[in-house]
Amino acid sequence: DAKTTQPTSMDCAEGRAANLPCNHSTISGNEYVYWYRQIHSQGPQYIIHGLKNNETNEMASLIITEDRKSSTLILPHATLRDTAVYYCIVRGSYNTDKLIFGTGTRLQVFP
Amino acid sequence: DAGVIQSPRHEVTEMGQEVTLRCKPISGHNSLFWYRQTMMRGLELLIYFNNNVPIDDSGMPEDRFSAKMPNASFSTLKIQPSEPRDSAVYFCASSFATGVKQYFGPGTRLTVT
Repeated sequence: DAKTTQPTSMDCAEGRAANLPCNHSTISGNEYVYWYRQIHSQGPQYIIHGLKNNETNEMASLIITEDRKSSTLILPHATLRDTAVYYCIVRGSYNTDKLIFGTGTRLQVFP
Repeated sequence: DAGVIQSPRHEVTEMGQEVTLRCKPISGHNSLFWYRQTMMRGLELLIYFNNNVPIDDSGMPEDRFSAKMPNASFSTLKIQPSEPRDSAVYFCASSFATGVKQYFGPGTRLTVT
């Protein structure tokens, strides 16, 4: 599986947009970019995923660069409840492909 | 929808004892995953099942660990004998076979003394 690189930690003011970057320069053509988050003491939670087009859902937006070597997860209006570790994962499209969690980005939203 | 259910939520046991962790996946899901999370190693996939059949157990640390899925609504992860280094949070997750979203349970915090 392709590896991802994320900053260790980030801060964001409540109400502002949180932009979490991820590098995946070795991604291959059939691999998707997934984002999960883990709030303290809870199981990871799926956020969003995409292949090459930008995606948006009720939780976040995912912007993937044209060369697909990097992406950004955007939380448009961060709240204190968004404080969590955010994982960017690259996974193939086959059913047997696994999610490999890295160390993620610890996002701290402050008042 | 009750989500993925794990039991017990907390387990404290002595070294050498057998430990059994349980998981009930979301109804209709036919893929089930067992993960372990520690501060040192992060979140690791131990084993996963598809249609009750183990597909990949390459993450199982050693023979002391075993997992079963006797039917679509129940799975167990057993450690025998347990050791202090097995102390971790164990998560179970489920998904549709061809789905991309894994739904995680609340985890079982295991402490082996």
